[in-house]
Amino acid sequence: NAGVTQTPKFQVLKTGQSMTLQCAQDMNHNSMYWYRQDPGMGLRLIYYSASEGTTDKGEVPNGYNVSRLNKREFSLRLESAAPSQTSVYFCASSDLAGGEQYFGPGTRLTVT
Amino acid sequence: TQLLEQSPQFLSIQEGENLTVYCNSSSVFSSLQWYRQEPGEGPVLLVTVVTGGEVKKLKRLTFQFGDARKDSSLHITAAQPGDTGLYLCAGPRGGGSYIPTFGRGTSLIVHP
Repeated sequence: NAGVTQTPKFQVLKTGQSMTLQCAQDMNHNSMYWYRQDPGMGLRLIYYSASEGTTDKGEVPNGYNVSRLNKREFSLRLESAAPSQTSVYFCASSDLAGGEQYFGPGTRLTVT
Repeated sequence: TQLLEQSPQFLSIQEGENLTVYCNSSSVFSSLQWYRQEPGEGPVLLVTVVTGGEVKKLKRLTFQFGDARKDSSLHITAAQPGDTGLYLCAGPRGGGSYIPTFGRGTSLIVHP
């Protein structure tokens, strides 16, 4: 039972490049989330999906898009990366919207 | 404005000492969760408190939810180096929204 998996673990991008961060959960959870974590800022919600087929903006959605591919998978896309998007990105899932969350190991992204 | 304020921001103590960290809000939360995050990893759920005045114990960790459900505390007895990490509180924003919000965390270092 892997829980929440994220790929890649590390990524370096140049300004303007695009990439997709992948997330999958095997707990049959309904809700999934994408956060970014910056020093001194805590975890900030980028987008979430309360249930399969729905996605909504969180606190800091600008510059990101998401796709809830199916119940298991929730991807985060950076269309044109900027240095301000250098951060650690975490995916999480929960059985109920706003409930107890289970996190992946994170993706460390650097944009130069 | 941070919906959940955590204090202190940093704490450095010796093994064997006791400590308390706080999570405060001006808003009522239907529930609050506490997570611990170790360096390089994702947050891991410790406990959820739901009822005002509730006290939950997890070995040497004691969690309390305020009577008015606006605040919570985490007390660690006889801290050990393994308790080192970032302690985060989180809860659904409420007001009909299930969007989760996190405090910025308390970074704890326990020296042997």
